[in-house]
Amino acid sequence: QVQLQESGPGLVKPSETLSLTCTVSGFSISSGYYWGWIRQPPGKGLDWIGSIYHSGSTYYNPSLKSRVTISVDTSKNQFSLKLNSVTAADTAVYYCARDLQQYDYWGQGTLVTVSS
Amino acid sequence: QSALTQPPSASGSPGQSVTISCTGTSSDVGGYDYVSWYQQHPGKAPKLMIFEVSKRPSGVPDRFSGSKSGNTASLAVSGLQAEDEADYYCSSYAGSNNWVFGGGTKLTVL
Repeated sequence: QVQLQESGPGLVKPSETLSLTCTVSGFSISSGYYWGWIRQPPGKGLDWIGSIYHSGSTYYNPSLKSRVTISVDTSKNQFSLKLNSVTAADTAVYYCARDLQQYDYWGQGTLVTVSS
Repeated sequence: QSALTQPPSASGSPGQSVTISCTGTSSDVGGYDYVSWYQQHPGKAPKLMIFEVSKRPSGVPDRFSGSKSGNTASLAVSGLQAEDEADYYCSSYAGSNNWVFGGGTKLTVL
């Protein structure tokens, strides 16, 4: 059974960098597929952030592209998200998921609050 | 890219059928057969219900079905059950390795 788990700080100060890691179990990232990040502001809808292939190829939401970096560490079976220059508008539950052109396996999500 | 348009709410009584629409453009919903639907219960992660317009993942009841006509995709739920009460989101490929979600629809089982 494929499982994903997000980890990282739950509180980030404005203008700093949000960093999250997704650890995958039950499936080797090196086997293929894209792996993605999606976020959901409190009480609002889903917002696609971007995805990465096991080889490192990435694609990002154009509205976030200037601030986002997604990377992969196949040796740890993990992929990561960095979002810089955060503001209160980046406060959200952040999900990682397996991307098969639809998201079939999701992490439980982690709330990141941007506040001083 | 703009979010896909969904009605904020939908409702039906147990046993009835309900359909949720997802309207986009020829650059997303109308241009590709990569429309998916997700169910989300409060405090939980979304769950894939439909992919590639009308395909159901293993384990999803056949009460859930998907379709598309032009720039509008639809999710139909027949034989409504209490556990179907949730938020539903559509998603579509939007070209150039871009993806877009709908704003979500809250389904209430009366």
